[in-house]
Amino acid sequence: KNEVEQSPQNLTAQEGEFITINCSYSVGISALHWLQQHPGGGIVSLFMLSSGKKKHGRLIATINIQEKHSSLHITASHPRDSAVYICFNNNNDMRFGAGTRLTVKP
Amino acid sequence: DVKVTQSSRYLVKRTGEKVFLECVQDMDHENMFWYRQDPGLGLRLIYFSYDVKMKEKGDIPEGYSVSREKKERFSLILESASTNQTSMYLCASRSGIWQPQHFGDGTRLSIL
Repeated sequence: KNEVEQSPQNLTAQEGEFITINCSYSVGISALHWLQQHPGGGIVSLFMLSSGKKKHGRLIATINIQEKHSSLHITASHPRDSAVYICFNNNNDMRFGAGTRLTVKP
Repeated sequence: DVKVTQSSRYLVKRTGEKVFLECVQDMDHENMFWYRQDPGLGLRLIYFSYDVKMKEKGDIPEGYSVSREKKERFSLILESASTNQTSMYLCASRSGIWQPQHFGDGTRLSIL
């Protein structure tokens, strides 16, 4: 069964803290996506990766294909990073993690 | 810039009505998707389309149908709306399996 699990479900941090969100999946993937969803519903694609590491500004995504695990890191977190972060398996059967609700307090 | 446009941001309909949700993308993408998002259940795939006039069922197709007559437009149809179809509906598109999906802003549909 193709499952995608995220942890933690909820995360509260102080501004400036280093954040890590984890994503594990049960079957092989073509690519893993990380999405950001702000209140109001709009979804932005942050990263798509099938190996190694990608960086965009303060956001870093890594993936370990052998361990079937990906992490999303946010350095120097800011209140505007408050959102729900979702990972999903971009295989044809599309499996989404339940999301991690991040709140960054000033 | 990439744009996926959903026809309505909020929609209120009555049970038994036939409801059309429209999605248009301007990126000449081959693949298009319809999802619904519910608290505690996350995003779930309803239907997807790999090309014009092609459609595939996702995880929860019951009570829904889709239409893709033109490459840029993918319509989701609720044949006879029911209260359990009250949800946030999201459309997405991508150019291929190795490419990221681009999402619309979503339609919050209420069935009364």
